[in-house]
Amino acid sequence: GQNIDQPTEMTATEGAIVQINCTYQTSGFNGLFWYQQHAGEAPTFLSYNVLDGLEEKGRFSSFLSRSKGYSYLLLKELQMKDSASYLCAYMDSNYQLIWGAGTKLIIKP
Amino acid sequence: ETGVTQTPRHLVMGMTNKKSLKCEQHLGHNAMYWYKQSAKKPLELMFVYNFKEQTENNSVPSRFSPECPNSSHLFLHLHTLQPEDSALYLCASSQDEEQGTTSGANVLTFGAGSRLTVL
Repeated sequence: GQNIDQPTEMTATEGAIVQINCTYQTSGFNGLFWYQQHAGEAPTFLSYNVLDGLEEKGRFSSFLSRSKGYSYLLLKELQMKDSASYLCAYMDSNYQLIWGAGTKLIIKP
Repeated sequence: ETGVTQTPRHLVMGMTNKKSLKCEQHLGHNAMYWYKQSAKKPLELMFVYNFKEQTENNSVPSRFSPECPNSSHLFLHLHTLQPEDSALYLCASSQDEEQGTTSGANVLTFGAGSRLTVL
């Protein structure tokens, strides 16, 4: 079967660090994506991981463990503009994207 | 214009109306998609057009009808919708590397969506 899970909502403080987790269960795997979606706007691509390990892009990093079916998005030095929904999606053996329901991140001053 | 453009941004329609959503991509991509986004639910893939052929229809009701006249334009025709069809409809495009497949390197570029309300 196909199953993917991420927290519905998280709150963090400006300047702090937050980790958004994503777990999945699948028999076939071709990589995991993270997208950011501000309210009323298009989802935009943040990262793609297909191998285990940490990929860093500025303030944002994404981690993948294929054996554990686990990924996280790490956001450092949080800014108010980071308030958004973060969507996790893995690509299955048929190259179909399976999406999580998204994590709404609220940043407080 | 750059990226993926969707019109209208907002649409209110009655259950007996016929309307269409339009999507245009200016990225030279060869695949286009319609997704449905409902609050607190995962994105639902409705239709995929890859190399001008519709390659996927995830049991979408026939009241939704896609049209892809060329690789840059995609329409979603709406007819006799139900209130539960109210949602954000997102268009996306990507550059697929092989015909009929979508590899992990094919990042989706989304439009801002059309917010549909069915009364």
